[in-house]
Amino acid sequence: GQSLEQPSEVTAVEGAIVQINCTYQTSGFYGLSWYQQHDGGAPTFLSYNALDGLEETGRFSSFLSRSDSYGYLLLQELQMKDSASYFCAVGGRRSNQGGKLIFGQGTELSVKP
Amino acid sequence: SAVISQKPSRDICQRGTSLTIQCQVDSQVTMMFWYRQQPGQSLTLIATANQGSEATYESGFVIDKFPISRPNLTFSTLTVSNMSPEDSSIYLCSVVGGVYQETQYFGPGTRLLVL
Repeated sequence: GQSLEQPSEVTAVEGAIVQINCTYQTSGFYGLSWYQQHDGGAPTFLSYNALDGLEETGRFSSFLSRSDSYGYLLLQELQMKDSASYFCAVGGRRSNQGGKLIFGQGTELSVKP
Repeated sequence: SAVISQKPSRDICQRGTSLTIQCQVDSQVTMMFWYRQQPGQSLTLIATANQGSEATYESGFVIDKFPISRPNLTFSTLTVSNMSPEDSSIYLCSVVGGVYQETQYFGPGTRLLVL
């Protein structure tokens, strides 16, 4: 089976840096993704790591260590609009599962002034 | 990127009835996915809808409860049958995209409340 663990909630202040960790157990691994979901909205794609290392996209970065079955999402220069739920997910197109994703339980990020 | 629409956006239904949710994509895609998100919870995959073949259901989900149609490469429906209050959830469809097919694009969701 597959399972992912991430903290249920994180609180930070505007302008700060926050890291959301994700550990996973999978029978086969084809990549770790991160999605953002605001209240009442649909999940939106943030990043994808298939290989070890850091991927940077603006204020957001994502890291993967396949040997440790671990990844994290790093959010810098936090803004109030970053308050949302963040989900890590395993799976993806390059797999025998045809692109389906298995999601973690989500981390609710609250950004305070 | 893919643009996905869903109908209805929300509904309130009586237990024992059925609701069909429609998902329309602005481009042709091989696979479409249906997820359920219960209040305050994560997304759980219900099934993968392939054009021209039967849908593939995940553990805990069965065709009699969640029949799926996939008549063409841009459209799919999910029916929630014989509803109970436990079926109250957001139902989302999604498709794969991106340069390396690493991205999933989600529809806006259908918010279902069963009384």
